[in-house]
Amino acid sequence: DTEVTQTPKHLVMGMTNKKSLKCEQHMGHRAMYWYKQKAKKPPELMFVYSYEKLSINESVPSRFSPECPNSSLLNLHLHALQPEDSALYLCASSLSPGTGDYGYTFGSGTRLTVV
Amino acid sequence: SQELEQSPQSLIVQEGKNLTINCTSSKTLYGLYWYKQKYGEGLIFLMMLQKGGEEKSHEKITAKLDEKKQQSSLHITASQPSHAGTYLCGPGAAGNKLTFGGGTRVLVKP
Repeated sequence: DTEVTQTPKHLVMGMTNKKSLKCEQHMGHRAMYWYKQKAKKPPELMFVYSYEKLSINESVPSRFSPECPNSSLLNLHLHALQPEDSALYLCASSLSPGTGDYGYTFGSGTRLTVV
Repeated sequence: SQELEQSPQSLIVQEGKNLTINCTSSKTLYGLYWYKQKYGEGLIFLMMLQKGGEEKSHEKITAKLDEKKQQSSLHITASQPSHAGTYLCGPGAAGNKLTFGGGTRVLVKP
């Protein structure tokens, strides 16, 4: 298995809703990442987990809450989002938490719309 | 933080023609990743360059790293519609923080 699987592919939520995005990989990668991508912009790093511990939080608002229950699974819990949070959310993983020597593998993303 | 600037921002090329994309870093490059993204989809890893002067090829795509110029170039030979998409570069040896240049959108006209 050489993929990063993200679910759901599309999500529409109201500003008072609570929802979660899920990311899964079975490649034995020990670093996992969340990115946010707005239209016509490059992906922006949000969080990095290294060996299931949060190692980087790029000053992301607390309405986004990441969780890494085990080495294969990464969640992003969403609560009280704003319409401007609508974006493509990408998950990625890498074998090595240090340099990603073999490249970073990306999922196909979750298209989130906040109404 | 290290910033990457890509040029051009977008380009339209006739099918069968060659194209080149550049990625210039504000700091010393210790390696570089190239990715491709179709609209609304995830990123596809193309190649990683780790040493100055290194050149890698995959099918019709060739990438080079010029450490002295703090620059990398991606060259596509005899472009095809399948080459359309956005190409993104990211610095290697960035610790856990893989960030990206602004991207180059490529459209291939049949």
